[in-house]
Amino acid sequence: QVQLQESGPGQVKPSQTLSLTCAISGDSVSTETVAWNWIRLSPSRGLEWLGRTYYRSKWTSDYALSVSSRITIKPETSKNQFSLHLNSVTPEDTAVYYCTRGFLQYGMDVWGQGTAVTVSS
Amino acid sequence: QSALTQAPSASGSPGQSVAISCSGTSSDVGGYDSVSWYQQHPGKAPKLIIYEVTKRPSGVPDRFSGSKSGNTASLTVSGLQAEDEADYYCSSYAGNTNLVFGGGTKLTVL
Repeated sequence: QVQLQESGPGQVKPSQTLSLTCAISGDSVSTETVAWNWIRLSPSRGLEWLGRTYYRSKWTSDYALSVSSRITIKPETSKNQFSLHLNSVTPEDTAVYYCTRGFLQYGMDVWGQGTAVTVSS
Repeated sequence: QSALTQAPSASGSPGQSVAISCSGTSSDVGGYDSVSWYQQHPGKAPKLIIYEVTKRPSGVPDRFSGSKSGNTASLTVSGLQAEDEADYYCSSYAGNTNLVFGGGTKLTVL
């Protein structure tokens, strides 16, 4: 059974960097038949796909246009996890952040429990 | 503001059927057979219940069914049960690296 667990600070100050990690159990971040995503849910913006990373002989990361200038998603193979870094945050980035396994075309079949992040001074 | 349009609420009595719609454009819902539906109970993570418009993951009851006509997708819940009370979100692939979601529909079982 595949399980995902997000971790990271629950509060970040405006203009700083939001950093979260997603620990994977029951699968490998390097599996060549899946992709690993970050999605957030906020009252103002609803559900929003942020980006993904995946391995197909080499690592690739793709990002939503809305955050592409300030986001990085990276695999951490030695720890079997992947991370999200979102810089220059504003209160608009306050949300519950989920890591997921899945594809844009075929749906997200595994979700972490989610971690709430508040951007506030 | 979400890219796909869903009614904020829906309701039905136990045993009845309820349909939840998800309206998009030819660039997302109408352009790809890649609509997914998620069920979210309070305090829980979303759960995939329909993918590729009509397919159900293993373990999802066949009371849940999906369809699409033009730029609008629908989720039908038949034989409503109390446990079906939840928020339901649609999503659609929108080309390149673009995934869009609906704003969610809160389903109440009366």
